[in-house]
Amino acid sequence: AQSVTQLDSHVSVSEGTPVLLRCNYSSSYSPSLFWYVQHPNKGLQLLLKYTSAATLVKGINGFEAEFKKSETSFHLTKPSAHMSDAAEYFCVQAAGNKLTFGGGTRVLVKP
Amino acid sequence: EAQVTQNPRYLITVTGKKLTVTCSQNMNHEYMSWYRQDPGLGLRQIYYSMNVEVTDKGDVPEGYKVSRKEKRNFPLILESPSPNQTSLYFCASSRTWTSGRNTGELFFGEGSRLTVL
Repeated sequence: AQSVTQLDSHVSVSEGTPVLLRCNYSSSYSPSLFWYVQHPNKGLQLLLKYTSAATLVKGINGFEAEFKKSETSFHLTKPSAHMSDAAEYFCVQAAGNKLTFGGGTRVLVKP
Repeated sequence: EAQVTQNPRYLITVTGKKLTVTCSQNMNHEYMSWYRQDPGLGLRQIYYSMNVEVTDKGDVPEGYKVSRKEKRNFPLILESPSPNQTSLYFCASSRTWTSGRNTGELFFGEGSRLTVL
């Protein structure tokens, strides 16, 4: 069974500093990987996706993620956090029609 | 505007009283799915549907039913709700590739918060 592990349940950063959200996946073949963001009282929104093209994927709002097969990781980064980045982030693995979500990382941005 | 609409957004009910949460999408998506979100557990898939009259179980289907009679609608039915079904529920939809696999690019509704007393 596939699993997705988000290594930090909470991350706190200061506005203007880098953000790193860590995600490890488990799969016996090349997965499709996604990051979604959930703002308070909202549904999830797709940030970016990896589907076996370039290993560095750029998404919306300045986020990017790097796929590393040797480390089975798909970490999400942003060079400079903004207050509007405060939200919960989910790493998702797709295999066939099955989607597996990580447990989520809640990001707090301090002024 | 492309959207997935869920109703009701908030509901408090009592154990055993049947309820239905509706979901409708206006993007002509083939794939639709229901998830529940619980703290620390992320989202867990309840049921999904690849197209009209085609549904399948996700990871946590017990206590739930679904139907897909029309492409745009995918209601979630709790025949006899119990307190452990208190949760935040999300409906989502996506296109599928020509192979029939969903693209993974989900469009989510805004959620339905259900409390079962």
